[in-house]
Amino acid sequence: AQSVSQHNHHVILSEAASLELGCNYSYGGTVNLFWYVQYPGQHLQLLLKYFSGDPLVKGIKGFEAEFIKSKFSFNLRKPSVQWSDTAEYFCAVNGYGGSQGNLIFGKGTKLSVKP
Amino acid sequence: DTGVSQNPRHKITKRGQNVTFRCDPISEHNRLYWYRQTLGQGPEFLTYFQNEAQLEKSRLLSDRFSAERPKGSFSTLEIQRTEQGDSAMYLCASSRGGGNTEAFFGQGTRLTVV
Repeated sequence: AQSVSQHNHHVILSEAASLELGCNYSYGGTVNLFWYVQYPGQHLQLLLKYFSGDPLVKGIKGFEAEFIKSKFSFNLRKPSVQWSDTAEYFCAVNGYGGSQGNLIFGKGTKLSVKP
Repeated sequence: DTGVSQNPRHKITKRGQNVTFRCDPISEHNRLYWYRQTLGQGPEFLTYFQNEAQLEKSRLLSDRFSAERPKGSFSTLEIQRTEQGDSAMYLCASSRGGGNTEAFFGQGTRLTVV
């Protein structure tokens, strides 16, 4: 079955700490991978995406993610978090080429950054 | 604002009533998606349109749910005979056609069935 697993339900960090959020997926075939962020009271916004090419992708606000095909992983990283990064983060996958339009999401990781 | 627009933002209804939500996608996007999100879960796919054609439906979309996109622009999602288990955030997203495109989400409609 197609699925996305996010390992951490809630992560609490102090400002300037480094962040890594885990994401593993189960999907037959080549995939597109996404990280979305949902700030409190706001809609889901795309942080970054991987379609093909360089497995290290950079997104907005200093976030990056690395696609490791052998591990079926797409972990999100940021070297130094800020209080404004407090949000919920969702990893998602769909089929490469858009053959399946729908995204499969993980359950999300809530990040709380203490000032 | 040229993003995805959803109305209403909140809806409280009594069990057994019918409700309808509207989604206006980004104007040049020909794909439109509906998702449902419950507390502690990520969004779950319900259905997807390419222009006016409904191409895919999830098993989550019971017979009480129906979605339309009559002119390939806005879409409506109707839930008939609502149940308490239907309480959730209903999200709409849109994207360009073709492969490898990103979906843009609206702010959602929060449904509470009492």
